[in-house]
Amino acid sequence: AQSVSQHNHHVILSEAASLELGCNYSYGGTVNLFWYVQYPGQHLQLLLKYFSGDPLVKGIKGFEAEFIKSKFSFNLRKPSVQWSDTAEYFCAGNTGFQKLVFGTGTRLLVSP
Amino acid sequence: NAGVTQTPKFQVLKTGQSMTLQCAQDMNHEYMSWYRQDPGMGLRLIHYSVGAGITDQGEVPNGYNVSRSTTEDFPLRLLSAAPSQTSVYFCASSPMGRDTEAFFGQGTRLTVV
Repeated sequence: AQSVSQHNHHVILSEAASLELGCNYSYGGTVNLFWYVQYPGQHLQLLLKYFSGDPLVKGIKGFEAEFIKSKFSFNLRKPSVQWSDTAEYFCAGNTGFQKLVFGTGTRLLVSP
Repeated sequence: NAGVTQTPKFQVLKTGQSMTLQCAQDMNHEYMSWYRQDPGMGLRLIHYSVGAGITDQGEVPNGYNVSRSTTEDFPLRLLSAAPSQTSVYFCASSPMGRDTEAFFGQGTRLTVV
């Protein structure tokens, strides 16, 4: 079955530290991958998406992710986090069509 | 542009009560879906619809009913609420076809006591 896994459940960083959140998927063929962010008390917002083409995807708020097919990974990165990045981050995927499968999420706490 | 609108935002139910969570979108999207979000489990798909009159079950459909009489609306019904249905519920919509993104509503926080 298709699945998405996130191994970091909780991450605590200081402001200005670099961030990398892991995401692995188990799709066998074509895959679309997404990172969503959920700020406290808010709904999910799309950070970035990968459909095809350049495996390095840039999103909003300085986030980027790299699709590495050989490693089945789509890790999220940001060179320097801010306190306002405190949120929960979800990786999700589908086979190119609508049904999204989500990872279990990573709670990021950035201390000032 | 309103996007995906969910009502209510918060709800407390007693065990055994019924209720309907409303979801409406104004983007003319064919695909709509309901997820529940529980701590440590991410979002899990409850039901989805690929167009008016067509619905199907997702990963965790038990205890929930849906219908899709119009393109815009996709209500989720709890016929007899149970404490295990305490969760945050999100509705999402997207166009049909390849390589599209989902748009999410604000969520409904439901507590069943």
